[in-house]
Amino acid sequence: AQKVTQAQTEISVVEKEDVTLDCVYETRDTTYYLFWYKQPPSGELVFLIRRNSFDEQNEISGRYSWNFQKSTSSFNFTITASQVVDSAVYFCALRRTSYDKVIFGPGTSLSVIP
Amino acid sequence: ETGVTQSPTHLIKTRGQQVTLRCSSQSGHNTVSWYQQALGQGPQFIFQYYREEENGRGNFPPRFSGLQFPNYSSELNVNALELDDSALYLCASSLGQGGFMSQETQYFGPGTRLLVL
Repeated sequence: AQKVTQAQTEISVVEKEDVTLDCVYETRDTTYYLFWYKQPPSGELVFLIRRNSFDEQNEISGRYSWNFQKSTSSFNFTITASQVVDSAVYFCALRRTSYDKVIFGPGTSLSVIP
Repeated sequence: ETGVTQSPTHLIKTRGQQVTLRCSSQSGHNTVSWYQQALGQGPQFIFQYYREEENGRGNFPPRFSGLQFPNYSSELNVNALELDDSALYLCASSLGQGGFMSQETQYFGPGTRLLVL
């Protein structure tokens, strides 16, 4: 069975603080893809990153960084020096390679307070 | 902006009615997936269309049906609406390979908010 868990339902931080959003996944596939999406209040899901299961290199993009640990089935997302515009719901997602169904976690609602 | 558009943006229906939601995929994409997102939850996969054929389906009843057209745009139809069908319906387009390994990312439209009274 495929499953994505985001244990943090809501997080609130003060602007400029660093924040890490946790994601734990379950899959029996050896090859799979992991994603992070951002959903601002407008509702549109914004793609942030895709990671292949066979590439465990961590990635940094500006203030965003991702830590993929296959041994613990985790794919955590860190925002450095958070800004008010980072306030949104963030979804971690898993996709098998057999077809394009994407399985989403329940989301973490991040509020960045000025 | 992803280039994926959906219409209408908002819709109010009553129980038992039927609804059609529309999605135009990003240029060059041949695969459209539909998701239902209830309030406070993550999106749930409804089904996917690849080159006008249904290519995978989630745990949704047959009253949820769809179409994909030759230009790869798509429709989601829901018959006999129920109160629990109230949700944000998201369409995502990608360049798929019809069930084989696909590395392409899904890009989402802004969604249609459906309220069933």
